[in-house]
Amino acid sequence: NAGVTQTPKFQVLKTGQSMTLQCAQDMNHEYMSWYRQDPGMGLRLIHYSVGAGITDQGEVPNGYNVSRSTTEDFPLRLLSAAPSQTSVYFCASSKWDGSEAFFGQGTRLTVV
Amino acid sequence: GQQVMQIPQYQHVQEGEDFTTYCNSSTTLSNIQWYKQRPGGHPVFLIQLVKSGEVKKQKRLTFQFGEAKKNSSLHITATQTTDVGTYFCAGPSGTASKLTFGTGTRLQVTL
Repeated sequence: NAGVTQTPKFQVLKTGQSMTLQCAQDMNHEYMSWYRQDPGMGLRLIHYSVGAGITDQGEVPNGYNVSRSTTEDFPLRLLSAAPSQTSVYFCASSKWDGSEAFFGQGTRLTVV
Repeated sequence: GQQVMQIPQYQHVQEGEDFTTYCNSSTTLSNIQWYKQRPGGHPVFLIQLVKSGEVKKQKRLTFQFGEAKKNSSLHITATQTTDVGTYFCAGPSGTASKLTFGTGTRLQVTL
């Protein structure tokens, strides 16, 4: 059982570059989210989706885009990377509204 | 917006000592969830509390949801080195699919 799979695990970007963080889940969960984790700040919600074709902004959406064309995939796009986006990114999915969240292994992103 | 604070930020205990982390929300919560994140790992769900005043136990871990549904606590009895990690509480902000995480309490246990 793969659960929630994130790729890549590590990435170094130069300022201004763009990239896509991939997230896929095989549990047929409707709800998916992206969080970033910075030291001392816990997990902050970037974007979330309540089903294919439906996305909404979280607490810190600026500089990030998402789309949800299928139930399984929820990619996060960085449009023009900035050093402030250096962080650990986690994707999560849950079966229904308010149920437990299953997290991927995380992507450690460094922007230089 | 909703804020969820946890105290303490960090605690260092000797193995066998008890540990408690407290979670406080600026708004009333419909439910609260607790997660554990091992160093270098990802958050893993521990439990969800829904009812006012609810108390749930998982072996040495005791979780409590406050009567006003604005605070919660996690108590670990007789800590072990396997308890090392950061403990987060999380509550729904607006829709339940928008979870707001607390700032976390990092627990260090030494022999």
